[in-house]
Amino acid sequence: DGGITQSPKYLFRKEGQNVTLSCEQNLNHDAMYWYRQDPGQGLRLIYYSQIVNDFQKGDIAEGYSVSREKKESFPLTVTSAQKNPTAFYLCASSIWARELNGYTFGSGTRLTVV
Amino acid sequence: AQSVTQLGSHVSVSEGALVLLRCNYSSSVPPYLFWYVQYPNQGLQLLLKYTTGATLVKGINGFEAEFKKSETSFHLTKPSAHMSDAAEYFCAAGSGGSNYKLTFGKGTLLTVNP
Repeated sequence: DGGITQSPKYLFRKEGQNVTLSCEQNLNHDAMYWYRQDPGQGLRLIYYSQIVNDFQKGDIAEGYSVSREKKESFPLTVTSAQKNPTAFYLCASSIWARELNGYTFGSGTRLTVV
Repeated sequence: AQSVTQLGSHVSVSEGALVLLRCNYSSSVPPYLFWYVQYPNQGLQLLLKYTTGATLVKGINGFEAEFKKSETSFHLTKPSAHMSDAAEYFCAAGSGGSNYKLTFGKGTLLTVNP
């Protein structure tokens, strides 16, 4: 079955360390997204990519970096510059068509920085 | 730019009662509208979507939503709540075309009381 795989589900890191969250999709979707979710704040867009080797900053890109070397993969690095990295991170993908079809989401990675 | 407002961050109903979750959007162009559901520590799952055509949209698990252009609303309803409906619900809007991005509301947590 096609879908989006995020790994790991839970991640613990020490303050000051960079950490990379994995996101892989086998849906042949063109676009991929990273969101951060905090209680009461909904989903906030970090980065998105509409095509391989291209990506754009979202609303809260500071302290994060991404790459899109393959259509299937869109890893997110949380750097030490991110002031408050503890959160639930969601990856999503969508297909481009004449109509906007909505997103397919992964099951998320909960990052805790201690 | 799109904005999505969900009225009520927390809604509580009794089992068997009507569920009504409110969503208003702002858009200068006809929108694409979506409702997603999220269970604890999971990703978001698409409940239903409005793109074009019929303004009453039926989704999974007995939910439906009505697009009212004059009121810029897309409220989610279910005639009879089940315990299994307890979750967080997100409304989202997009404008399609070359813009792949959805704008999400802050979410409404639905509690179902026995």
